[in-house]
Amino acid sequence: DTEVTQTPKHLVMGMTNKKSLKCEQHMGHRAMYWYKQKAKKPPELMFVYSYEKLSINESVPSRFSPECPNSSLLNLHLHALQPEDSALYLCASSQDGLAIGDTQYFGPGTRLTVL
Amino acid sequence: KNEVEQSPQNLTAQEGEFITINCSYSVGISALHWLQQHPGGGIVSLFMLSSGKKKHGRLIATINIQEKHSSLHITASHPRDSAVYICAYSGGGADGLTFGKGTHLIIQP
Repeated sequence: DTEVTQTPKHLVMGMTNKKSLKCEQHMGHRAMYWYKQKAKKPPELMFVYSYEKLSINESVPSRFSPECPNSSLLNLHLHALQPEDSALYLCASSQDGLAIGDTQYFGPGTRLTVL
Repeated sequence: KNEVEQSPQNLTAQEGEFITINCSYSVGISALHWLQQHPGGGIVSLFMLSSGKKKHGRLIATINIQEKHSSLHITASHPRDSAVYICAYSGGGADGLTFGKGTHLIIQP
């Protein structure tokens, strides 16, 4: 199984809502990533988890809260978002991030619209 | 300043043509990645290179570490190759990728 799954595929939320994005992989990978991609732009790194610990936070606003409950699951909790947060949110995983360069496997993304 | 520069930004070619997409980077890297993104968002990793050359089917990727330059070649291009091709680098460890702006490739029948 070389698949990274993300749910939901689409999400529309108001600025006062709380929602969560979910990412799951069963490849035994120990590094997981959240990226944000605005329309017609390249993805930008948000967070990296390595062995279930947050290792990189790219100065992301606190209205985005990541969580890694176990080695297969990565969540992104959303609260009080702004319309400019509307984007495609991509999850990825890689072996363990300890080698010099790991292939990253991407999920299909969650397309988020904030009204 | 973008640390990863790709060219061209857009490329339209006829089916069967040999395609080259270039990537230059300005920082020390541990690996250079080539990825493909189709409309709708899904990203597929094509190659990860730290030196030399790799080939997979009709795709070839090369990297020159001294010149900080990589190329992606597509031989016998086909309309199904139409996609955005993105160059990205990783700095080492559980490091996220830093992406170039991508090359939007259209192969016309």
